[in-house]
Amino acid sequence: EAEVAQSPRYKITEKSQAVAFWCDPISGHATLYWYRQILGQGPELLVQFQDESVVDDSQLPKDRFSAERLKGVDSTLKIQPAELGDSAMYLCASSLEGPSLYQFFGPGTRLTVL
Amino acid sequence: ELKVEQNPLFLSMQEGKNYTIYCNYSTTSDRLYWYRQDPGKSLESLFVLLSNGAVKQEGRLMASLDTKARLSTLHITAAVHDLSATYFCAVDKYGGSQGNLIFGKGTKLSVKP
Repeated sequence: EAEVAQSPRYKITEKSQAVAFWCDPISGHATLYWYRQILGQGPELLVQFQDESVVDDSQLPKDRFSAERLKGVDSTLKIQPAELGDSAMYLCASSLEGPSLYQFFGPGTRLTVL
Repeated sequence: ELKVEQNPLFLSMQEGKNYTIYCNYSTTSDRLYWYRQDPGKSLESLFVLLSNGAVKQEGRLMASLDTKARLSTLHITAAVHDLSATYFCAVDKYGGSQGNLIFGKGTKLSVKP
């Protein structure tokens, strides 16, 4: 069964360092989402891509976060510099093009900032 | 600002009992999503409710949607331990179907023997 892949699964870093997360969506899924989930909260959408274009990044802290999906397939989310408050689970999801009913979530990357 | 509120946030149930989780949202939306998350795991889609009055059932879980009241319910029938998880509802940020989901805080369900 096709799945969304994410790496690394766990990342520990010190504040002020740079971190990067990678996501490979299900093959053929044009829409890709990055969410941040703080412990005990629901996921919060950071950025949505349609192919290689950003559709919505209104919740992305652009002073330190960046996301790209250069070829419209896999995607990278970067934080530079990391802050203590960035400790969270970062989830990637994908869906078929446009207004799809279902988003398929990856296993997530658990980030701890010390 | 769009708000999605779930209650209760914590629910401890005995096996065999019934209970309902409520999800209220503050914007007009014709669809609502329910997800399940096991500890340390990712999210699993449970239901997508597409219109007013929609009802869907899977095993011991039944979800319904009242768009006029902006309310969805997730009813648990004769709970079993395997249902222990956190349940999230979500609606589209723009009230449509763009996929920009706003999630509630989740209801952590614990089913005890």
